[in-house]
Amino acid sequence: EAGVTQFPSHSVIEKGQTVTLRCDPISGHDNLYWYRRVMGKEIKFLLHFVKESKQDESGMPNNRFLAERTGGTYSTLKVQPAELEDSGVYFCASSQTGDNEQFFGPGTRLTVL
Amino acid sequence: GNSVTQMEGPVTLSEEAFLTINCTYTATGYPSLFWYVQYPGEGLQLLLKATKADDKGSNKGFEATYRKETTSFHLEKGSVQVSDSAVYFCASPSYNQGGKLIFGQGTELSVKP
Repeated sequence: EAGVTQFPSHSVIEKGQTVTLRCDPISGHDNLYWYRRVMGKEIKFLLHFVKESKQDESGMPNNRFLAERTGGTYSTLKVQPAELEDSGVYFCASSQTGDNEQFFGPGTRLTVL
Repeated sequence: GNSVTQMEGPVTLSEEAFLTINCTYTATGYPSLFWYVQYPGEGLQLLLKATKADDKGSNKGFEATYRKETTSFHLEKGSVQVSDSAVYFCASPSYNQGGKLIFGQGTELSVKP
């Protein structure tokens, strides 16, 4: 069974540019989460999808971040326009309904110059 | 809401030394508790978990016991190896706000031969 995959693995962009991160969850997992770890600090929650619906987006830092999960399969996280403080590692995780265990992808390391 | 506090690193040990990484939590009720590990260049992996008080999670020689009296879930290993060098995260679900995970700050472990 394939695990959670994320693309790209690394992205280096300039301030003001747009970047789109992609996450493919484990097949059949209705729950999809985005997290971020900035500058070696703790991993912080961004948002949670249940199928295609946003269950909780309380962790989204501001309106420059837009997450979608059309069709309830893969998800994208767009940052537009990117700022220096957006640099960090963005993790995606998925889980089955009713299961606390989340399976994480390898992360996307975003560097904004 | 729930919170997790983890001892800060970095921690540097010699091979075969004993390891303890402290983790305490505050929560309403008794949530599941997890230790995740991130090896260099890789994504987050679940190391072990405990779903109720007094449970002991174990994997790869690591152990952690869910102690409700001290609200702790300390990670231990009797004899660390160079290959254990990684960042370790304690985590718990935030029950009141859906399935998102609350993470500790992460502890970087470096094991020297």
